[in-house]
Amino acid sequence: EIVLTQSPATLSLSPGERATLSCRASQSVSSSLAWYQQKPGQAPRLLIYDASNRATGIPARFSGSGSGTDFTLTISSLEPEDFAVYYCQQRSNWPPTFGQGTKLESK
Amino acid sequence: EVQVVESGGGLVQPGGSLRLSCAASGFTFSSYEMNWVRQAPGKGLEWVSYISSSGSTKYYADSVKGRFTISRDNAKNSLYLQMNSLRAEDTAVYYCARAQRAYYMDVWGKGTTVTVSS
Repeated sequence: EIVLTQSPATLSLSPGERATLSCRASQSVSSSLAWYQQKPGQAPRLLIYDASNRATGIPARFSGSGSGTDFTLTISSLEPEDFAVYYCQQRSNWPPTFGQGTKLESK
Repeated sequence: EVQVVESGGGLVQPGGSLRLSCAASGFTFSSYEMNWVRQAPGKGLEWVSYISSSGSTKYYADSVKGRFTISRDNAKNSLYLQMNSLRAEDTAVYYCARAQRAYYMDVWGKGTTVTVSS
């Protein structure tokens, strides 16, 4: 099973700042990685798939990069609604696995 | 509007059974693979089960294999998860999720809560 390790566990930033979230895989997942956003009491929302493709309706301030074992989700300029927990997920190897999450909180 | 709505959660004793349902609308259900994903209280996301669009292929996480059964009724636009021999560690919010290329989940329901406790 592929283990995804996200860092940092918590990121404290202010609106308008740039956020950089990391996801590292225990072995290569090629580009088969997605990012999800989850707000308290809500279901996850798909943001990015295939490492760098934005899902339908996702604002351009969200971008993904990376391949192999190292991936990054970048939010170029934080909006108040972006403070949430973010998960990465791989679909390269069965079973599909999620990272433990990064909590993005408002400073 | 594209949506999925879960139901059927509740409180059940260890060793008991529960059947979750997921009603899909706003899209051609029979064309999509589907998954169940769960989230224990205060924890992260865990994939539980997958079913192909026709229902002919099914996969399960090791943690639920032999106890849970996924199924679908394309005529009723519905997905199901039969959960038997429930354990305390199955306590979670269970999400139904539409899949793209098997395991990218692009439409999620609000979830249904399953609590396994005596």
